[in-house]
Amino acid sequence: NAGVMQNPRHLVRRRGQEARLRCSPMKGHSHVYWYRQLPEEGLKFMVYLQKENIIDESGMPKERFSAEFPKEGPSILRIQQVVRGDSAAYFCASSPEQANQPQHFGDGTRLSIL
Amino acid sequence: KQEVTQIPAALSVPEGENLVLNCSFTDSAIYNLQWFRQDPGKGLTSLLLIQSSQREQTSGRLNASLDKSSGRSTLYIAASQPGDSATYLCAVKDNTDKLIFGTGTRLQVFP
Repeated sequence: NAGVMQNPRHLVRRRGQEARLRCSPMKGHSHVYWYRQLPEEGLKFMVYLQKENIIDESGMPKERFSAEFPKEGPSILRIQQVVRGDSAAYFCASSPEQANQPQHFGDGTRLSIL
Repeated sequence: KQEVTQIPAALSVPEGENLVLNCSFTDSAIYNLQWFRQDPGKGLTSLLLIQSSQREQTSGRLNASLDKSSGRSTLYIAASQPGDSATYLCAVKDNTDKLIFGTGTRLQVFP
């Protein structure tokens, strides 16, 4: 399986808990992007990472949200003290190092906050 | 600030029709434009990528054109089928490497 893998597919959390979303990029891809799709809205960029580096986090809320892409293992999007407004589909995409290559998306994690 | 608009927002047609979906963007300084398909509850499937120096790309019954100077792209679907029913998204990539998405066109093709 050479696709972008996200897990879990569905995640339910109560308000105040932490949510951890994982993304394994396609084989050979070193760039990872996270996007959020709120209900009835388009996809919005959150953060762009390369191995061990955050390149652009301009779309990520300043508080409670963090992302990492360690040297070994998947990229993690972490949301602390979740609130109802965090309910959304979170998509990860990856691309190779070469410029202007298409981004390939995973199936997303659907986060529901009770 | 780049803004991407797609019209129509929704489209319902009988199968067999040829379709045109429109995408416009406000800043012509793009690196490429990508068309995606999203099925309900699923991720995005990349359909076509057009580099800024290209005018069009074709894949099977799909043809995408790009007019960068006027900030427009169209996705042409020939001989539509019920299996084409999905939301179609266009996204532009700027020099910061992130994709900026339109809100999509929901297409329904009925038998």
